[in-house]
Amino acid sequence: SQQGEEDPQALSIQEGENATMNCSYKTSINNLQWYRQNSGRGLVHLILIRSNEREKHSGRLRVTLDTSKKSSSLLITASRAADTASYFCATADRGSTLGRLYFGRGTQLTVWP
Amino acid sequence: DAGVIQSPRHEVTEMGQEVTLRCKPISGHNSLFWYRQTMMRGLELLIYFNNNVPIDDSGMPEDRFSAKMPNASFSTLKIQPSEPRDSAVYFCASSLLSGLADITDTQYFGPGTRLTVL
Repeated sequence: SQQGEEDPQALSIQEGENATMNCSYKTSINNLQWYRQNSGRGLVHLILIRSNEREKHSGRLRVTLDTSKKSSSLLITASRAADTASYFCATADRGSTLGRLYFGRGTQLTVWP
Repeated sequence: DAGVIQSPRHEVTEMGQEVTLRCKPISGHNSLFWYRQTMMRGLELLIYFNNNVPIDDSGMPEDRFSAKMPNASFSTLKIQPSEPRDSAVYFCASSLLSGLADITDTQYFGPGTRLTVL
């Protein structure tokens, strides 16, 4: 399967702590994206990192990419109860112009107040 | 601007009935994706269209499933006849592709249709 795999499957932390989620994939990629899904809602794009980038920041989000290990991590700093959601990584194959993304199974993050 | 619009939001039907799910992509987007999400199987890509043309329908589980995109602003996913194992949340997503390989291809998801087949 070309799907990414997130690790851990579930993560439970207290408000104010940092949350780190990891994603591994199998193919050569054009970019890797992280999405968030609140309960009962559709997925929402959070951040994209290209294959030639190693780190990217957006607010409290920090994404790293190691193409040699085919892995990425998403760090949420100073977490809040509102960050409780499922987080998915998605990859776009290198050279593809068709727009297909391969999604992982997601990490369920619970942040306790 | 309105995001991706899906209807209905909830559908409860009996086994054997026909179900039609509808999607209106974001105006100007040229790619549309249908996904199914269940606890057991996660998020599965069923079919996707580029410029209204189906590109890959290998994810469609059976011949009972069909999808159309008659124009750039409307798509349907039909299940006929429906079965209890089709119960899931069905998402439609759209994106804008430039046709270049090294380009962002962020997908914008609708709110989903929760289908329950009794």
